[in-house]
Amino acid sequence: DQQVKQNSPSLSVQEGRISILNCDYTNSMFDYFLWYKKYPAEGPTFLISISSIKDKNEDGRFTVFLNKSAKHLSLHIVPSQPGDSAVYFCAASALDTGNQFYFGTGTSLTVIP
Amino acid sequence: AAGVIQSPRHLIKEKRETATLKCYPIPRHDTVYWYQQGPGQDPQFLISFYEKMQSDKGSIPDRFSAQQFSDYHSELNMSSLELGDSALYFCASSFGAGVGDTQYFGPGTRLTVL
Repeated sequence: DQQVKQNSPSLSVQEGRISILNCDYTNSMFDYFLWYKKYPAEGPTFLISISSIKDKNEDGRFTVFLNKSAKHLSLHIVPSQPGDSAVYFCAASALDTGNQFYFGTGTSLTVIP
Repeated sequence: AAGVIQSPRHLIKEKRETATLKCYPIPRHDTVYWYQQGPGQDPQFLISFYEKMQSDKGSIPDRFSAQQFSDYHSELNMSSLELGDSALYFCASSFGAGVGDTQYFGPGTRLTVL
């Protein structure tokens, strides 16, 4: 049972434009969310996080938005750069699941120069 | 900055053999997590340790065991390997074992079972 879903397996964006990666979840108890970026042959790299007490968190070119009522979060990358090309995973956890994170299946972002 | 180290990076085994994967967390991190990522799948949480004690257990098969040592490194022992165990195994570490403690991932060990 996939509790965290990324319905777009791939996304292509022109350099300089905005990249929007989406993530949906089913467990209303999830209260902490992370985005990871993964290059081939490397482990996931932490990007940005958000807790359920906020609906937006910004870090440089990366902004994560959380819509709790819709059980939806998104990662915006502005402006997109070719070096952003990677697979992006969202992950979620809840207080009653301890420190276990549930991952989405990933979205492969390609930024076209 | 020092990152999470995993060894070996690649491992090839045959069915019914055993394998041991090692994870060295970021210095001063006290929590280690193990994840398994099959081909085309998302990472699945296996098990975690905080201060050398098991803190959480996920979908880890009974054929697998793990432990965290006094220097905080962790080893994942896998016995009676099956073809379906072929996957990328990630280790992550964090400082603290609470929800919200960011996990930093190692590069992974690719296990191939023939």
